[in-house]
Amino acid sequence: KAGVTQTPRYLIKTRGQQVTLSCSPISGHRSVSWYQQTPGQGLQFLFEYFSETQRNKGNFPGRFSGRQFSNSRSEMNVSTLELGDSALYLCASSLGTINEQFFGPGTRLTVL
Amino acid sequence: SQQGEEDPQALSIQEGENATMNCSYKTSINNLQWYRQNSGRGLVHLILIRSNEREKHSGRLRVTLDTSKKSSSLLITASRAADTASYFCATDGEDTGRRALTFGSGTRLQVQP
Repeated sequence: KAGVTQTPRYLIKTRGQQVTLSCSPISGHRSVSWYQQTPGQGLQFLFEYFSETQRNKGNFPGRFSGRQFSNSRSEMNVSTLELGDSALYLCASSLGTINEQFFGPGTRLTVL
Repeated sequence: SQQGEEDPQALSIQEGENATMNCSYKTSINNLQWYRQNSGRGLVHLILIRSNEREKHSGRLRVTLDTSKKSSSLLITASRAADTASYFCATDGEDTGRRALTFGSGTRLQVQP
C-alpha cells in the first residue's frame, strides 16, 4: 500500500497570505489527523476528520480550518498567516481510531 | 502545553550500547504509544502498550508502563547508527476525551558509529 502523501513538501508564504495543504491517506483509512510541529511547542494536535466530519479539534485559532472529501483526502487551510505559523505540518491517517497513526512526510511551511 | 514530558531531552551513546528514554504523563490513559522521527520528517509508529499491560517487546525495543507513576520507558538494545532519531511518546489522555494524541517533547538520540 502506498503511504500517506502530503503536498506540497515545502512552501514559503508571506504574512497575511493564506495557504492550503493537502493530505492523501493510506487507502482504506477513514481518519485523518493534522498536527503542527514547532521547535518551541513541539507536536500539537490541530484536528481530526472521519468520514468527512470533523470529529475533534485542538486549541488553535479559527484561522486554522480543514475539510475531508468523500475519498478521505483532506486539506487544511490557514488564513491570514502569521510568522508563528512557520512549522512542519504533519498529517496522519488511521483506520478509525487514534491508535497506530501513519504519518506523512510533512509540509514545511515558512512564513516571511 | 504537552501532557508528556520526556527525559532526557538528548542522549548520545556508542553503537552497541543500550538507550533508555523516559516519558511521564498527567492524566489517565487507555494506551501509550512510541514514535520515531528522523530529522524533519514524518513520524513512524514503533509500539503501543495498553494501560493494563506492564511491559511489551518488539525486536530490539522494550517498553514498560507504570500507570501508578504515570510513566513509561523505551529501551533500545544494541543500538545502531540508524537508530539516530528523535523519539516521542504519545498518549490518548482524558484531556482530549481520548480522541487525539498528546505528544511528549521528545528525546533526541544520537548513536555514534
